[in-house]
Amino acid sequence: GAGVSQSPSNKVTEKGKDVELRCDPISGHTALYWYRQSLGQGLEFLIYFQGNSAPDKSGLPSDRFSAERTGGSVSTLTIQRTQQEDSAVYLCASSLGHPNQPQHFGDGTRLSIL
Amino acid sequence: QKEVEQDPGPLSVPEGAIVSLNCTYSNSAFQYFMWYRQYSRKGPELLMYTYSSGNKEDGRFTAQVDKSSKYISLFIRDSQPSDSATYLCAMTGGYSGNTPLVFGKGTRLSVIA
Repeated sequence: GAGVSQSPSNKVTEKGKDVELRCDPISGHTALYWYRQSLGQGLEFLIYFQGNSAPDKSGLPSDRFSAERTGGSVSTLTIQRTQQEDSAVYLCASSLGHPNQPQHFGDGTRLSIL
Repeated sequence: QKEVEQDPGPLSVPEGAIVSLNCTYSNSAFQYFMWYRQYSRKGPELLMYTYSSGNKEDGRFTAQVDKSSKYISLFIRDSQPSDSATYLCAMTGGYSGNTPLVFGKGTRLSVIA
């Protein structure tokens, strides 16, 4: 596939459990972004990876959230000790990392915390 | 005041109408402006990408940016039922424009056949 791929597409879990969300960016894209989309809040930035640079974690809402990107490609977003307010759609985007190169999004993981 | 303001609608128009969607923003550092279309249970799909002020046209879509007023618009001509979706404006600053996007909350559009 040529697009950004995210898995799982849906995840239901109990409060207090840990979850891992996966993102496969478009091949060759050096920049990768995680966003969260929730009702009433719109799309909010979480974390940004650019090449081998240290990630920009300024959007992470708490220390329960973390992300890594292995080998400059696949990324995993981890939420520990999930809370009901974590319920949202988690979207991943990637771009070429050059000037004037826009971000392309996957279809997201819909996370529901019971 | 949020950095980006967008009327959430919903906006309902008859097929063939011209649709006007707008966002205002407060951060003068923004210089890359985008419009995304999002269908239900899908990710945002890039429609238009513009740098700085001016107009850009692509088929039935026209994007306008007025940096002096901190105001951007998307016009859809000859609207079709398939245009029914949520439209998100997004913007960013920075040297390359690859910094994280700041989004409006989206406008839900329905085009009625």
